[in-house]
Amino acid sequence: GAGVSQSPSNKVTEKGKDVELRCDPISGHTALYWYRQSLGQGLEFLIYFQGNSAPDKSGLPSDRFSAERTGGSVSTLTIQRTQQEDSAVYLCASSWVASSTDTQYFGPGTRLTVL
Amino acid sequence: AQSVTQPDIHITVSEGASLELRCNYSYGATPYLFWYVQSPGQGLQLLLKYFSGDTLVQGIKGFEAEFKRSQSSFNLRKPSVHWSDAAEYFCAVGAPNDYKLSFGAGTTVTVRA
Repeated sequence: GAGVSQSPSNKVTEKGKDVELRCDPISGHTALYWYRQSLGQGLEFLIYFQGNSAPDKSGLPSDRFSAERTGGSVSTLTIQRTQQEDSAVYLCASSWVASSTDTQYFGPGTRLTVL
Repeated sequence: AQSVTQPDIHITVSEGASLELRCNYSYGATPYLFWYVQSPGQGLQLLLKYFSGDTLVQGIKGFEAEFKRSQSSFNLRKPSVHWSDAAEYFCAVGAPNDYKLSFGAGTTVTVRA
């Protein structure tokens, strides 16, 4: 079946603009994760969803970052008033349930460049 | 909280040679350990994982990893690399009854002909 998809694949924006990144998880997967991958860094956990609920938002870097998930499926990560330090690859992953024993399947990522 | 260190940022290996990527973790109890591979323009793909039992784990694409509690390590190995193994490799650690994985900074592997 189809894997995790993300759109857009690339996004270039100007400092101060808002951006929305979309993630379409594997059908049936109840858990969805957002990570940020900066140059030379590992993956930084941002937020996860179990169903439509986000029990842990502790990884969001600032209140400019928010995420939602509707219908237990598609998720949107929104960054308001983008800054240059927001430039990174944003990765989405999904799994059957939110558990470290359950394999996370990753999308190809959205490369965000803030000028 | 758990954490992972991958000491090697970049490794170059000849095609057909063996490969070993190092991973050291920090966690108080028995961790869950993972290796993922990221090819250019692709998402991360799980190579193998360790939860318990046999400390030598076999994965896809001919990779294996060995859990050594005494060294807090989970090194990834492949006896003979192929040009298609050029990619970035990430080690990750998770905890039982948790959902979050902590990833290392990654090791980029270049394969020369």
